[in-house]
Amino acid sequence: EADIYQTPRYLVIGTGKKITLECSQTMGHDKMYWYQQDPGMELHLIHYSYGVNSTEKGDLSSESTVSRIRTEHFPLTLESARPSHTSQYLCASSGTGTGPYNEQFFGPGTRLTVL
Amino acid sequence: RKEVEQDPGPFNVPEGATVAFNCTYSNSASQSFFWYRQDCRKEPKLLMSVYSSGNEDGRFTAQLNRASQYISLLIRDSKLSDSATYLCVVNEAGGYQKVTFGTGTKLQVIP
Repeated sequence: EADIYQTPRYLVIGTGKKITLECSQTMGHDKMYWYQQDPGMELHLIHYSYGVNSTEKGDLSSESTVSRIRTEHFPLTLESARPSHTSQYLCASSGTGTGPYNEQFFGPGTRLTVL
Repeated sequence: RKEVEQDPGPFNVPEGATVAFNCTYSNSASQSFFWYRQDCRKEPKLLMSVYSSGNEDGRFTAQLNRASQYISLLIRDSKLSDSATYLCVVNEAGGYQKVTFGTGTKLQVIP
């Protein structure tokens, strides 16, 4: 089993609230990622990080922000949640190697509903 | 053209059947390849890496064709528990090693 954790698993919140989705991994991986996925739809990369103090935007534009102050921790923040942010958010990490061993490990996801 | 393309399916196959999925990629510099499995409302989980010479894990066989830029997944003797979405993943070479997920192929194994 991969050692990557996300909290909360489920969050129902009102419009305009600030939220932070937590993601942590104990594998010492340098690379971490945030994906957004609606039910039955494809994964969309919204943020990634090479390592501490490195953050980049992904392929899908997102109003969320991320930080990477510690290797093991990659939180995602929405300053003002809106119903359009309702989705599943998946965090992943991978090591620094190349080739067929550098797979991504996923956390269980946070299912966010904004009312 | 998408960087990684898969037939979304669904593939509806009877138990015991053999089913194959293909995935094409556009970047010839792509370096590593994977198949992931995703169950409904769950996170993706690695099914198998794809090696240059092809590799097998029980009923699952993965192949890489660099010349034609595609990878394949073959499932033999399908089980009901194989029902899931299968995601093709391609890693590019380079410092960041951009990771691209396909949209997935849905498999439904029917009794």
